[in-house]
Amino acid sequence: DAMVIQNPRYQVTQFGKPVTLSCSQTLNHNVMYWYQQKSSQAPKLLFHYYDKDFNNEADTPDNFQSRRPNTSFCFLDIRSPGLGDAAMYLCATSRGLGPANEKLFFGSGTQLSVL
Amino acid sequence: DAKTTQPNSMESNEEEPVHLPCNHSTISGTDYIHWYRQLPSQGPEYVIHGLTSNVNNRMASLAIAEDRKSSTLILHRATLRDAAVYYCILSPGANFGNEKLTFGTGTRLTIIP
Repeated sequence: DAMVIQNPRYQVTQFGKPVTLSCSQTLNHNVMYWYQQKSSQAPKLLFHYYDKDFNNEADTPDNFQSRRPNTSFCFLDIRSPGLGDAAMYLCATSRGLGPANEKLFFGSGTQLSVL
Repeated sequence: DAKTTQPNSMESNEEEPVHLPCNHSTISGTDYIHWYRQLPSQGPEYVIHGLTSNVNNRMASLAIAEDRKSSTLILHRATLRDAAVYYCILSPGANFGNEKLTFGTGTRLTIIP
């Protein structure tokens, strides 16, 4: 029944070692988002795709990249993880952009630890 | 972006109604008011949203002040499963095609058995 699926649930990586988090959706939504949520903080938007159109938030570090090879899948690449990148990473989808469509569906998240 | 202000935490007794307030005094005429909640160790989930009129769904009700500078999320009969962080979020409606949800700090709701 899960509509937005994130794998793995927990990911451990080493300082500076590239890591990729994955997200898939069965909703056929046009928009996919990546949020970062650090402990006891609110989710913070990193970037989103509207179809194949990539939109980066102004304060998202260059260390974070994303790929969306097709409608169903979206990846978050962290090129050189630092200790400060340890967080929950949340993937979300919506049918489109705009208030009427902006009901977001979130996955359960991937908890990233950096050693 | 217009901002929201919510109490950091609230407590409520099980099986009683809960009123979660949100202030958004700088709201613009086209901003939608959204509520999401995040249960422990899960991603946020949609609760309700509205523009001007009060809204009801199976999860909750949203009461919007006449001047739209505040709103209240109402859980009619709280259960232990409603313990979560509740986020009140404004979504700019004017720039169609560029709307995104920016989460604030939210209210941590504790339900007392």
